[in-house]
Amino acid sequence: KQEVTQIPAALSVPEGENLVLNCSFTDSAIYNLQWFRQDPGKGLTSLLLIQSSQREQTSGRLNASLDKSSGRSTLYIAASQPGDSATYLCAVSTGGFKTIFGAGTRLFVKA
Amino acid sequence: GAVVSQHPSWVICKSGTSVKIECRSLDFQATTMFWYRQFPKQSLMLMATSNEGSKATYEQGVEKDKFLINHASLTLSTLTVTSAHPEDSSFYICSARDLTGPTEAFFGQGTRLTVV
Repeated sequence: KQEVTQIPAALSVPEGENLVLNCSFTDSAIYNLQWFRQDPGKGLTSLLLIQSSQREQTSGRLNASLDKSSGRSTLYIAASQPGDSATYLCAVSTGGFKTIFGAGTRLFVKA
Repeated sequence: GAVVSQHPSWVICKSGTSVKIECRSLDFQATTMFWYRQFPKQSLMLMATSNEGSKATYEQGVEKDKFLINHASLTLSTLTVTSAHPEDSSFYICSARDLTGPTEAFFGQGTRLTVV
């Protein structure tokens, strides 16, 4: 059974700091991995999608890497801003195209 | 990316009544849609897989008679919470895949259900 773990569960950083969010999954047989952002009481915003054949994806200040063989992904956020404060969810797509989510990392960026 | 529309975005209902939530793929066909629920400060948990023209597949621990899923067309799946109780209050989100395209899941905006 696929399980997704995210570390840390919560993170508070001063504005401008670079930070790394970690995600690990137990079964390397995935189709892709996605990082989402969720603001309180809101739906999901897709940030980055990495296909199983890819190693990384970049969008603006965000960079996500994927090491499928070791079951790990990282989300790098450069020059963090207060507007980046949200919960970040890692999710993997498995057989049957199900998406399995991690518990998320709650990020707070202090001005 | 493709658009998945979920309606309503929020609903308040009385205990014992039923509530229907719709999930539509607006610009693609989805033979399979997924329903998730999210309790406060927890992650999304898959409830069921909705297959067009056939019965839904429920995850372990999800009551199929309480959470009725209908996927009557390639662009619409509905989740009906029957005889709702306060413990059913949650955030429900659907997702759909365009099986003719990349293996990316597109998510609806979610529905906040409050049972009073």
